[in-house]
Amino acid sequence: DVKVTQSSRYLVKRTGEKVFLECVQDMDHENMFWYRQDPGLGLRLIYFSYDVKMKEKGDIPEGYSVSREKKERFSLILESASTNQTSMYLCASSLSGQGTEAFFGQGTRLTVV
Amino acid sequence: DAKTTQPTSMDCAEGRAANLPCNHSTISGNEYVYWYRQIHSQGPQYIIHGLKNNETNEMASLIITEDRKSSTLILPHATLRDTAVYYCIVRVNSGGYQKVTFGTGTKLQVIP
Repeated sequence: DVKVTQSSRYLVKRTGEKVFLECVQDMDHENMFWYRQDPGLGLRLIYFSYDVKMKEKGDIPEGYSVSREKKERFSLILESASTNQTSMYLCASSLSGQGTEAFFGQGTRLTVV
Repeated sequence: DAKTTQPTSMDCAEGRAANLPCNHSTISGNEYVYWYRQIHSQGPQYIIHGLKNNETNEMASLIITEDRKSSTLILPHATLRDTAVYYCIVRVNSGGYQKVTFGTGTKLQVIP
């Protein structure tokens, strides 16, 4: 069974903290994605990666960075967490090429206080 | 980017077919249409995808118009468990790589 695993389901952090959200997939997928989801705004793409050490900005990259040192792991980093980064964060992975589906993790609900 | 437009919400009676429309008028010739759904508090789940032919699987059918500017997801016999937000997306090429961008989706409420 295919799996995308996010390290935490719920997380509470303080303003100004450096926050790491981890995502691991066991399907040998080339592509990995980080989204945030907020009420009324749907899923918005933060960053994606199409290969190890490669990354591309999504639609809302400001305030975030990413790291992909190994193919199976894609980390989202909040350098200095702010309250407006309180959100649900979703990780996904897919094979390259058209006609392939993306698989999602269960999400991490981050609260910044 | 090929963007999609969906109605914000829809209701459907249990046991009836649910027809969810999506407009993607700027879609490029080699871009696939995908449908996902998200049940409350879970990650999105893949349903179906297609390029230009109609597609059917155990979950749903996908009807794509001949000009590919719109599509309809059909759940043939909706159940209460089909209540979810349904996303229609187009895989967008970004520098040669596929960027998966979601919109706000359609909230489908299946009514007993």
